Amino acid sequence: SQQGEEDPQALSIQEGENATMNCSYKTSINNLQWYRQNSGRGLVHLILIRSNEREKHSGRLRVTLDTSKKSSSLLITASRAADTASYFCATPEGFNQGGKLIFGQGTELSVKP
Amino acid sequence: EPEVTQTPSHQVTQMGQEVILRCVPISNHLYFYWYRQILGQKVEFLVSFYNNEISEKSEIFDDQFSVERPDGSNFTLKIRSTKLEDSAMYFCASNSGGSYEQYFGPGTRLTVT
Repeated sequence: SQQGEEDPQALSIQEGENATMNCSYKTSINNLQWYRQNSGRGLVHLILIRSNEREKHSGRLRVTLDTSKKSSSLLITASRAADTASYFCATPEGFNQGGKLIFGQGTELSVKP
Repeated sequence: EPEVTQTPSHQVTQMGQEVILRCVPISNHLYFYWYRQILGQKVEFLVSFYNNEISEKSEIFDDQFSVERPDGSNFTLKIRSTKLEDSAMYFCASNSGGSYEQYFGPGTRLTVT
């Protein structure tokens, strides 16, 4: 089954603006994670939000989770050129901590200086 | 900070050749994974490995693929007879078993000609 579909697919903003990316999923989840991927590089774990949490902050990142709508959003405030990357949401399949992650298509963020 | 490492960073091979991609997961982690990302597409799960055996594999992970943990540190992915469609970025990841976060290596870009 498909999980973690993001929108928009691409987002271009000016430095200093906020960037919001959305993710939808289809099955029940224990948690939802956001990862960043710089061009041609590996995935960096940004933040995990549990199913019983509605909002979580980490520095300039704010993640929300609405389990009734099966959706999450990632907000990056006061964006910088260095935030330019692809952002993926990922959900673990099942409730086993060692289970695989299912990734969405990602949002390609471009922050112009 | 401990990190997952992968070698080589780029591998070019001819169709039909065998390749071995190498990974050194974080040392005290218990779960190990291989994912791949075809250019411009989402990250796809290939296989997970726990307690010296495959715990789950995807339909992509057919008989041409195998994984090994030959010693206490390395984790390898072998593709016996590469096809053009195997060209992708291959990521290794590991998980401590005490949380849901997975830590990814920088990837190996495999190009099959």
